[in-house]
Amino acid sequence: DAKTTQPTSMDCAEGRAANLPCNHSTISGNEYVYWYRQIHSQGPQYIIHGLKNNETNEMASLIITEDRKSSTLILPHATLRDTAVYYCIVRPATSGTYKYIFGTGTRLKVLA
Amino acid sequence: ETGVTQSPTHLIKTRGQQVTLRCSSQSGHNTVSWYQQALGQGPQFIFQYYREEENGRGNFPPRFSGLQFPNYSSELNVNALELDDSALYLCASSLGTRGRNTGELFFGEGSRLTVL
Repeated sequence: DAKTTQPTSMDCAEGRAANLPCNHSTISGNEYVYWYRQIHSQGPQYIIHGLKNNETNEMASLIITEDRKSSTLILPHATLRDTAVYYCIVRPATSGTYKYIFGTGTRLKVLA
Repeated sequence: ETGVTQSPTHLIKTRGQQVTLRCSSQSGHNTVSWYQQALGQGPQFIFQYYREEENGRGNFPPRFSGLQFPNYSSELNVNALELDDSALYLCASSLGTRGRNTGELFFGEGSRLTVL
């Protein structure tokens, strides 16, 4: 079973910020939070990951709560091309495998 | 583009047949993971190869097997195909070490298998 809980779907107006929440209340101290997205008929694409500090890159920002039990992925100015399924995943930093446990993710639809 | 290529992109098989899917990893990546994604579901981890050895496996039966070659490309073989094996099979490469893998996975576009 996935260690994360995400809303099934969300809509966002084009040009506005998209805020995608994720609950990971059972996260362990050595587990990172990863976000991937999957545009229709393509393989998943890495977005960002973090341990406990907020992170930002050219694609998005990741806000992790102080207790690390939840996080929010922020797409600052959503475009139609951001329409995709977004997956929040937790995994240990020292894992010897890339066994990601994907849930069913959040289906984000960006509206014109 | 991730530099990970998979072939074939689509194929149709019948129950009981065998299938081989191929993956060419991104240059310099020594680790390949395979995932199965059924329609409407998230990807499920099948197994991982690191430097030609399997070093992690998900909850899949032995009829799912694989290989990794010296150039780090990989194959996924599925024997005795069942209807439920119909899915998108994703290959992902990464640069890993035996004990620590914190980096990202680079996924290919997948091979869509239909079993009739």
